Amino acid sequence: QQQVKQSPQSLIVQKGGISIINCAYENTAFDYFPWYQQFPGKGPALLIAIRPDVSEKKEGRFTISFNKSAKQFSLHIMDSQPGDSATYFCAATYSGYSTLTFGKGTMLLVSP
Amino acid sequence: DTGVSQDPRHKITKRGQNVTFRCDPISEHNRLYWYRQTLGQGPEFLTYFQNEAQLEKSRLLSDRFSAERPKGSFSTLEIQRTEQGDSAMYLCASSLYPGLTNQPQHFGDGTRLSIL
Repeated sequence: QQQVKQSPQSLIVQKGGISIINCAYENTAFDYFPWYQQFPGKGPALLIAIRPDVSEKKEGRFTISFNKSAKQFSLHIMDSQPGDSATYFCAATYSGYSTLTFGKGTMLLVSP
Repeated sequence: DTGVSQDPRHKITKRGQNVTFRCDPISEHNRLYWYRQTLGQGPEFLTYFQNEAQLEKSRLLSDRFSAERPKGSFSTLEIQRTEQGDSAMYLCASSLYPGLTNQPQHFGDGTRLSIL
């Protein structure tokens, strides 16, 4: 059972454009939603995370939008740069627990 | 903060051999996690430790797998009698104790295992 569904599988965006990656979850107990960025040959690195008491969180060019009623959340990368080309994973867990459930990932390519 | 360190970075072995990986977490982190990542997939949870105690094991962790964290510092993951399906990236992560909230997990760069 895949508890976190991520789309699209891959994405090509022009430099300066907006990259949008979506995730949907099933477990209503989830209350912590991080996004990780992974470059080839490297481990995932935490980008930004959100809790469901807010609908949006912004850090620099990265924004998470959260829709609790729809059980969906998304990552927006503004002014996308070639250096943002990587695989992005959404994840979820809940308070008192700690293991992360990851989506399958989105491979982002930002063309120059 | 030197980050999470994993050794070796790559391991190539023949089917049936035993392999052992090491993870050194961030020094003040008392939670340590092992995940497995196959090509084109997100990391999947294997097991985690609170200090030296192994608190949870995933159903993915067959009896050929064993993990330890002696003295609550570094951890080792051993796979006995390796099979082709064990080929994957093995990731270690660490965090502070989450308590009632969640603490971010910081990942190492993994050990890539290839079974011939």
